[in-house]
Amino acid sequence: AQSVSQHNHHVILSEAASLELGCNYSYGGTVNLFWYVQYPGQHLQLLLKYFSGDPLVKGIKGFEAEFIKSKFSFNLRKPSVQWSDTAEYFCAVKALESGGYNKLIFGAGTRLAVHP
Amino acid sequence: EAQVTQNPRYLITVTGKKLTVTCSQNMNHEYMSWYRQDPGLGLRQIYYSMNVEVTDKGDVPEGYKVSRKEKRNFPLILESPSPNQTSLYFCASSLVGSSGANVLTFGAGSRLTVL
Repeated sequence: AQSVSQHNHHVILSEAASLELGCNYSYGGTVNLFWYVQYPGQHLQLLLKYFSGDPLVKGIKGFEAEFIKSKFSFNLRKPSVQWSDTAEYFCAVKALESGGYNKLIFGAGTRLAVHP
Repeated sequence: EAQVTQNPRYLITVTGKKLTVTCSQNMNHEYMSWYRQDPGLGLRQIYYSMNVEVTDKGDVPEGYKVSRKEKRNFPLILESPSPNQTSLYFCASSLVGSSGANVLTFGAGSRLTVL
């Protein structure tokens, strides 16, 4: 079965530190990749997505992610975090074959706390 | 404003008492889906619908029912709730493109406690 792994469940950083959140998936075919963010008390919203083309994608609020097909990874990065980045981050993968067109598989999430 | 609206936002109920969580979207999206969010497990799909009268099971459908009689509404029904259905529930919708369901728009969530 397809799965998505997020390596860090909790991350604590100081403001201005760099961030990298890991995401690996188990499906070997064509995928669509997403990062969603859930700020405290709010609903999930899209941070960025990869469908095809340039494997380095840029999203909102200075976030970016790199798709490395050979490593089945889609890690999220930000050069300098802010206190307002405190949130829970979810990686999600959609497999485009094997009936996966409408199934988005989420990782367990990473809680990021940024201290001033 | 384009949005997905869920009600109720908070509910405490008892084992066996049927309940319905409503979900409505105003974006004319074909695709709608229900997820439950549990600590350490992320979001798991319960049911989804590609269009009116078309529904299908997700990864954790046991104990739930859905219906899609109108395009905008996708209620989640718990016929006989049990404590293991205590969770945070999200409804989401999207357009359907050539590669299936697209970017999801999520509702604010419904926190359900079953005693």
